[in-house]
Amino acid sequence: DAGVIQSPRHEVTEMGQEVTLRCKPISGHNSLFWYRQTMMRGLELLIYFNNNVPIDDSGMPEDRFSAKMPNASFSTLKIQPSEPRDSAVYFCASSSSLAVNNEQFFGPGTRLTVL
Amino acid sequence: GESVGLHLPTLSVQEGDNSIINCAYSNSASDYFIWYKQESGKGPQFIIDIRSNMDKRQGQRVTVLLNKTVKHLSLQIAATQPGDSAVYFCAENLGAGSYQLTFGKGTKLSVIP
Repeated sequence: DAGVIQSPRHEVTEMGQEVTLRCKPISGHNSLFWYRQTMMRGLELLIYFNNNVPIDDSGMPEDRFSAKMPNASFSTLKIQPSEPRDSAVYFCASSSSLAVNNEQFFGPGTRLTVL
Repeated sequence: GESVGLHLPTLSVQEGDNSIINCAYSNSASDYFIWYKQESGKGPQFIIDIRSNMDKRQGQRVTVLLNKTVKHLSLQIAATQPGDSAVYFCAENLGAGSYQLTFGKGTKLSVIP
């Protein structure tokens, strides 16, 4: 298995532009999580899905952030418009179920830089 | 280790020595804890977990200790190897039906060959 796949690995954009981050979870996993990592705030959960349905988006910082999971093998995190303070590494993780003792497998992350 | 501002606490250990990484968690209601390892340029990777009804759990070369009285978690790595160099995070789950993990800021472990 290739593990969780994220694209792009690096994204540099200008303030005001739309950014779309992509994630392919491990095949057969029903739960998907989006995290953001910065030096100041560490690793923060943004939103998570179960069976393609968003369960909790309380971690999404602002309305500029949105996430979708149109099918079991694909999810997107969109920022529109982007701002410099959105610069961070964004991780996607998947697990076989929402049960917290089911290991979350993390992707390699997308490093976003907003100029 | 707690993070302060932009700087992660760093632990430097001689190869072959034992490492102890500490974590203070925030919520006395948390009932499940995980240690993650994050190597440079990669996502976090599960190392070991422990439930609040235990105070010690051992894996391969790693041991997690939980002290609920003072809300403290530690990760012990035996015979530390260069491949152990990474940032280590503790994470807690608040229980009560929560599916979320709350991560600590991390500690950077550097192994001196």
